[in-house]
Amino acid sequence: AQSVAQPEDQVNVAEGNPLTVKCTYSVSGNPYLFWYVQYPNRGLQFLLKYITGDNLVKGSYGFEAEFNKSQTSFHLKKPSALVSDSALYFCAVRGASGGSYIPTFGRGTSLIVHP
Amino acid sequence: DAGVIQSPRHEVTEMGQEVTLRCKPISGHNSLFWYRQTMMRGLELLIYFNNNVPIDDSGMPEDRFSAKMPNASFSTLKIQPSEPRDSAVYFCASSSLPYEQYFGPGTRLTVT
Repeated sequence: AQSVAQPEDQVNVAEGNPLTVKCTYSVSGNPYLFWYVQYPNRGLQFLLKYITGDNLVKGSYGFEAEFNKSQTSFHLKKPSALVSDSALYFCAVRGASGGSYIPTFGRGTSLIVHP
Repeated sequence: DAGVIQSPRHEVTEMGQEVTLRCKPISGHNSLFWYRQTMMRGLELLIYFNNNVPIDDSGMPEDRFSAKMPNASFSTLKIQPSEPRDSAVYFCASSSLPYEQYFGPGTRLTVT
């Protein structure tokens, strides 16, 4: 079975500081990994994905994520946080081959960026 | 592309009434997902269709819930009869598997 852990319910960071939102996963074989963002009263919005290749993936709004196979992690990062980055962030995983096409989502991490 | 379209955006109904939520996926996507989101339970997958065929409905809470996808451009989620505990935001998402999903804006359902 596949699973995702987002160990922090909430992350607080000052505007202009770097931010990290953590995600670890468990899946059989190679993973497909995704990050989504949800702003208040909106649907989830795709940010970035890791399928194969370079471990550092760049996505929308200046976000990036680093795939670490040995640590089974896919942490979301941004060099300089904006107040407008405040939102709920979800990590998701599915196996790259065979099995279910259904991704498993984490419970989400609330990011609060203080002015 | 207009993205995933859901209707209605808000629905308020009384307990016992039938509720139908609608979804138009992104053209060309071959998979469609229905999710429910609440503060207590987070994001829950209800049902997954691939090429209009229901593949996994293990997340459907009970027989009061049913979903259909009569063609590639339309899906419905029906609750009959509705109960207060069904109050939640219901999302539809489509995907060109195996990659990322695109979510609709959601339907906020309130059952009184």
